[in-house]
Amino acid sequence: AQSVTQLGSHVSVSEGALVLLRCNYSSSVPPYLFWYVQYPNQGLQLLLKYTSAATLVKGINGFEAEFKKSETSFHLTKPSAHMSDAAEYFCAVSGYAGGTSYGKLTFGQGTILTVHP
Amino acid sequence: DAMVIQNPRYQVTQFGKPVTLSCSQTLNHNVMYWYQQKSSQAPKLLFHYYDKDFNNEADTPDNFQSRRPNTSFCFLDIRSPGLGDAAMYLCATSRVGQGSGSSYEQYFGPGTRLTVT
Repeated sequence: AQSVTQLGSHVSVSEGALVLLRCNYSSSVPPYLFWYVQYPNQGLQLLLKYTSAATLVKGINGFEAEFKKSETSFHLTKPSAHMSDAAEYFCAVSGYAGGTSYGKLTFGQGTILTVHP
Repeated sequence: DAMVIQNPRYQVTQFGKPVTLSCSQTLNHNVMYWYQQKSSQAPKLLFHYYDKDFNNEADTPDNFQSRRPNTSFCFLDIRSPGLGDAAMYLCATSRVGQGSGSSYEQYFGPGTRLTVT
């Protein structure tokens, strides 16, 4: 079984400040981990992914995330927030557990990021 | 550019009137997914096709059906929409179970916003 917990349903930062969105996962198999961003009335866009290669993963728009197995965490960071980063962010886990669960994503509940000028 | 396309972007239907939502992809991915997303919630998987094999989630209502006539297209049919079915419907694709060609991440379309009157 897999699960994802995102700590904080709302995060607010000032423009130029550090962005930190927290994600902890639970998985009975080696996980693949993803961060997606969703703007209002849009689909989900992949920011970055961890698939058992480097533990520090760099994504689009200056975001990065670090896989920490000992902490079962995959927190998303960006050194300097921009107004255009305001959106909802979803952490997700996937892992092969046999049969039809192949490729299925389990999402966290989402974190809405607000960026203040 | 390879992509996932959903039509229409906005759909208004009457209570109880059947409606079909469309998804097409140019990524040549073997798996296609349909999600329902309600306001301020994570996407909820309804079902997915692994090639031609249909996989229904246990809690997906019978009111929701799907068809995949070929690799590129997938349809979501709502036989008798209720007010509770108003939501954003997201189509996604991925390439899994194909050895080194597997990527596991899902690529999402822009969604169809369904309103039930």
